[in-house]
Amino acid sequence: AQKITQTQPGMFVQEKEAVTLDCTYDTSDPSYGLFWYKQPSSGEMIFLIYQGSYDQQNATEGRYSLNFQKARKSANLVISASQLGDSAMYFCAMRGSPGGANSKLTFGKGITLSVRP
Amino acid sequence: DAGVIQSPRHEVTEMGQEVTLRCKPISGHDYLFWYRQTMMRGLELLIYFNNNVPIDDSGMPEDRFSAKMPNASFSTLKIQPSEPRDSAVYFCASSRDRTRGELFFGEGSRLTVL
Repeated sequence: AQKITQTQPGMFVQEKEAVTLDCTYDTSDPSYGLFWYKQPSSGEMIFLIYQGSYDQQNATEGRYSLNFQKARKSANLVISASQLGDSAMYFCAMRGSPGGANSKLTFGKGITLSVRP
Repeated sequence: DAGVIQSPRHEVTEMGQEVTLRCKPISGHDYLFWYRQTMMRGLELLIYFNNNVPIDDSGMPEDRFSAKMPNASFSTLKIQPSEPRDSAVYFCASSRDRTRGELFFGEGSRLTVL
């Protein structure tokens, strides 16, 4: 079974500052992928970043980076230079190897981020 | 390329009525997922298909829910009869069968059962 834990309460950050959103996970799969999605108030789910369990380097996508600590089973999202448009709900998710028993994407409860001007 | 297309975007119905939600996945994607999102329970996986075959339907709440994927380009989620507690946003998502496999989501169908 897979489990994603996001326990931070609503987060606030000042515009242009960096913010870290926490995510821990648990799985018995030797190979897995970790994802972050953004859900703005309009409701759509937007894929942000992916980290493979065997990737040697931490993933980066523009202002997003993933602080992957495999031994600690954590996959925190770092947003640099926050913008007002970053205000949204952020979900951490995990998926086992496609085709395997855990091919589905399991989501955490989400974290609300509010960026202050 | 077109993304995942869901219809209807909004549906308001009365308790006891049948509801059918539709999804067209991205062409070439092998996996299709139906999720439900509520404030109380967050994002829950209802069912997913691989190559049109249902793989895991353990998240389907009860017999009132059914899902089909008659071909690679179309899936339906049906609720019959609907109940107020079924009110939620229902997302369809698709992905490719490859190592990375991120899901691409539709815009969701917001269902309100009165």
